[in-house]
Amino acid sequence: GEDVEQSLFLSVREGDSSVINCTYTDSSSTYLYWYKQEPGAGLQLLTYIFSNMDMKQDQRLTVLLNKKDKHLSLRIADTQTGDSAIYFCAVAYSSASKIIFGSGTRLSIRP
Amino acid sequence: DTGVSQDPRHKITKRGQNVTFRCDPISEHNRLYWYRQTLGQGPEFLTYFQNEAQLEKSRLLSDRFSAERPKGSFSTLEIQRTEQGDSAMYLCASGPDRAYGYTFGSGTRLTVV
Repeated sequence: GEDVEQSLFLSVREGDSSVINCTYTDSSSTYLYWYKQEPGAGLQLLTYIFSNMDMKQDQRLTVLLNKKDKHLSLRIADTQTGDSAIYFCAVAYSSASKIIFGSGTRLSIRP
Repeated sequence: DTGVSQDPRHKITKRGQNVTFRCDPISEHNRLYWYRQTLGQGPEFLTYFQNEAQLEKSRLLSDRFSAERPKGSFSTLEIQRTEQGDSAMYLCASGPDRAYGYTFGSGTRLTVV
């Protein structure tokens, strides 16, 4: 099946790194994404990675992909209060045109 | 380019009424998606257009739901005989190629009373 799983909550101290994890079930993934949703707002594409890559870095964001374990992670360095949001992992498969989303991880920042 | 626009932002309707939502994608994007999101959940795929052709439709989409994209530009999503379970945020997204992800609109929040 096409399932994408994430833990529901993550709390980190301001200035620390946040690591948000995601697992998926179908090995025919082609493209993988991280989206951010702030309260009352739509989804904002943060970054994406192709399935033939292991890592992608974009300023404070680092994406790691372990295809063998079907595991994707998003690391946010130097987490700030503005990073408080829900983060969604999403996966596109070769067999379909849709993108499947996880249920989201709510990131909260403590001072 | 003003991004993906959705109208209306909010809609309250009585059970049994029909509602129609509109999505204006980014002009050069040929792919258009509709998703539905309920509280505490991730977006759930409803349907997909490439230009004017509706190429994929979720099994979750009952016969009461219909979507169109008549000229390959804007799209409409109609829900007939609304039920309370239809209450959700309806999201539209567009993109040139799924390799680079999609741009989402702010959504239409539907409340069925």
